[in-house]
Amino acid sequence: SAVISQKPSRDICQRGTSLTIQCQVDSQVTMMFWYRQQPGQSLTLIATANQGSEATYESGFVIDKFPISRPNLTFSTLTVSNMSPEDSSIYLCSVGGQGNQPQHFGDGTRLSIL
Amino acid sequence: AQKVTQAQTEISVVEKEDVTLDCVYETRDTIYYLFWYKQPPSGELVFLIRRNSFDEQNEISGRYSWNFQKSTSSFNFTITASQVVDSAVYFCALSEKAYNQGGKLIFGQGTELSVKP
Repeated sequence: SAVISQKPSRDICQRGTSLTIQCQVDSQVTMMFWYRQQPGQSLTLIATANQGSEATYESGFVIDKFPISRPNLTFSTLTVSNMSPEDSSIYLCSVGGQGNQPQHFGDGTRLSIL
Repeated sequence: AQKVTQAQTEISVVEKEDVTLDCVYETRDTIYYLFWYKQPPSGELVFLIRRNSFDEQNEISGRYSWNFQKSTSSFNFTITASQVVDSAVYFCALSEKAYNQGGKLIFGQGTELSVKP
């Protein structure tokens, strides 16, 4: 399975600032997914990021708040903009292998907003 | 609409006990994929198993076993002779497409398993 590196692993940020999370994969993948896990909750998909096209956002998530870049087949970034305490969550990127391979996840970014 | 229900929020067992984590799913598709993931206290999400809807064979991997029953839309997970290291949150998930077709995962709420020595 692919090796997924996420940076930063954790951060504490001030209200109103923005943070960009990076996801690097050791092999080329077509699709990358960004999920959010709020404290004590399950995972919810934020958006699907395809290389060379705009990200597809799920209901309740908008590009202005969570802009995503996907410059190549091994890298993606998620920015959490104008952060508030409600954005305190674990953010995870996910990729899969070829064909019907299952999704594997990065170690996540634990984000706390003061 | 797709939905995954894990009715057990928390389970506590004593080491060496067997424990079953329940998962019930809803989907209109005839082809779909079911998953179990483990999230230990360190936070990473560890893939355990994937099942296709057209393969109802139960699976055993060491102390882990999975029971897939389409008739009841269930995909239950049993840990035999539980160990303290099994303590984690376990998520059941559903995807109606293969990954490379844009198959996003719909997660259940998770079951927090605590195995006490």
